[in-house]
Order: sequence, then structure tokens, then C-alpha cells
Amino acid sequence: EPEVTQTPSHQVTQMGQEVILRCVPISNHLYFYWYRQILGQKVEFLVSFYNNEISEKSEIFDDQFSVERPDGSNFTLKIRSTKLEDSAMYFCASSRTRQQPQHFGDGTRLSIL
Amino acid sequence: AQTVTQSQPEMSVQEAETVTLSCTYDTSESDYYLFWYKQPPSRQMILVIRQEAYKQQNATENRFSVNFQKAAKSFSLKISDSQLGDAAMYFCAYRSAIPRVGEAGGTSYGKLTFGQGTILTVHP
Repeated sequence: EPEVTQTPSHQVTQMGQEVILRCVPISNHLYFYWYRQILGQKVEFLVSFYNNEISEKSEIFDDQFSVERPDGSNFTLKIRSTKLEDSAMYFCASSRTRQQPQHFGDGTRLSIL
Repeated sequence: AQTVTQSQPEMSVQEAETVTLSCTYDTSESDYYLFWYKQPPSRQMILVIRQEAYKQQNATENRFSVNFQKAAKSFSLKISDSQLGDAAMYFCAYRSAIPRVGEAGGTSYGKLTFGQGTILTVHP
């Protein structure tokens, strides 16, 4: 069964550095999402992406964050200047249509030192 | 804004027994979807079951079934004949079925709003 793939599984970065989290959605999916889960807290929506543009973003998704679909397969989340509070598990998800359920990747654990 | 509440941080069940996980939500919308996702220690979130709000019939998926009470805004998950592999964090989630203008100005395509999660332990 096709899966959403995320790399790396764990990223350790110094505060202030840029980080790029990568996702390969399921190949025929058209809707893409990023969520994050701070340790011990609920999963929170960050951003949704469709037709090569952001369709919705949360208040968490400020100017430090950006998303890109640089080619036909990858979907990336960039954090420009990381802060300690960016430490979290980041999940990528995709769906074929808006109505169909979202499929999640394994997540990337981001640790900011 | 929609909210989802799971009031049980932890639940436990004996293998082969039945357990029910609770979820309530708040929304002013009439058309939406509800989901239960399972997150085992391996981390990947896996869809367990989904319910469309316009359907009165409760969704079932093998040993998993829901009790959807639309008026009460309640969506509980029942796991029958619990197995050791059911041990995981379970998340209840809400998604609007109505396209609307998102905060970025584009059309919102159904973000998921999650509850806090319930850790399920299965005892042999």
C-alpha cells in the first residue's frame, strides 16, 4: 500500500539555524498538509497546500515557516530561523481528494538545541 | 472555531475485552467528518474509522465501531475483542465538509482538528 514518506526521521539543529523537513506524498494525491505535535500535546494543524499554493494556514505558521513543492513528488516545510519552541514532531499528510481521509507519514522529530 | 475534546488521557483494557474511548466536539456546522486515528509507538498515524455527519448509521470497521450522537456532539470509539496490537495513542479528529475561505485567502480544504489523545493500554 502506498505510503507518505518523511525524511529525516530525527533532526537536531542549533537554535537560529534553518531546517528543511521533507515529505513525499502518495503519488496521485493532490492535497498536502503539515501538522506538528509538541511532546505531550495535541496534534496541531500548520498549513494546507493545493494546486501549488497555500490554501489555509494556522496562526502558528508565521513568517518563519514556508512550504514548497519543488517538483512533482516532494513537499517540504522550511523553518527559517528555528526557536526552542519549534521542537516537536512534524507530520506530513496527503489526500487524493478533499473528501477522502488524509494519510500520514511517520513524522520527523525536530529537536532544537 | 471547532474544538475536539477527549476527556480520558489514559484507558486500559484486558485482552479480548471491550473498551470505549470518548470524544466530544463543538461545531456550528451541519456537514462534517469525524475520524479516529491510531498512533502506535512506531509513530505513524493510521486511520481507524471515519464517519460522515450526514449518515445516521454508525460506522463499523471489523472490531472497531463508533457511537455517533450528532445532537449531543459525541463520537465514541468501541474496540471489541481487544488485542495487544491495539495498544496505542488514539486521536479523535474533526474535519469540515464545507469549502470555505481559509486564513490564507484561498479555499480551505479540510484541515483536521484533533483532540488531546487517549493512551490505550492492553493487558494480556
